[in-house]
Amino acid sequence: GEDVEQSLFLSVREGDSSVINCTYTDSSSTYLYWYKQEPGAGLQLLTYIFSNMDMKQDQRLTVLLNKKDKHLSLRIADTQTGDSAIYFCAEEVNSGGYQKVTFGTGTKLQVIP
Amino acid sequence: DAGITQSPRYKITETGRQVTLMCHQTWSHSYMFWYRQDLGHGLRLIYYSAAADITDKGEVPDGYVVSRSKTENFPLTLESATRSQTSVYFCASSVWASGTQETQYFGPGTRLLVL
Repeated sequence: GEDVEQSLFLSVREGDSSVINCTYTDSSSTYLYWYKQEPGAGLQLLTYIFSNMDMKQDQRLTVLLNKKDKHLSLRIADTQTGDSAIYFCAEEVNSGGYQKVTFGTGTKLQVIP
Repeated sequence: DAGITQSPRYKITETGRQVTLMCHQTWSHSYMFWYRQDLGHGLRLIYYSAAADITDKGEVPDGYVVSRSKTENFPLTLESATRSQTSVYFCASSVWASGTQETQYFGPGTRLLVL
């Protein structure tokens, strides 16, 4: 079955880079996602990467995918206090015609001014 | 307003009572989902629906009932609430097309406390 794991907490100083890591178990995943959850709100899609890509860059965000190790990371450059949130990685797997998405436990990013 | 909404946003109930959480989306997305979010568990899928009148169990369906008589609504009912169902509940919707990525759009959540 699918299992997605993340570390629970990360603390960085404002202006530094943040790297949030995620491991997953299902090698047949099609897409991998990063969602952001701000306090008191639902999840919002930040970015995603197709499983045949190694890297995707979107402004301050860089997603790296290592399929061999089933490892996904999200790098946030020049981290700001507004980046403080919980970040969820998720993998999408085709499950009997339905695109099943499994979320990780979330990493709480704390940005220290 | 367009989007996905949930009601109520906050609910306190007692053990054994029936509670219904509402979810409404205005995009006519075919897929809708209910998740619960608990510390240390992240998001766990309770039920999902591929279309009106089609529902299926997720990872943690016990104690919950769903229905989807209309595409835009996907209510979640706790038939007899238990303290272990104290959680934050998120509804989500998506439009899935074969070969494309599956963005899920989340509601703001309902915080449920069962006493």
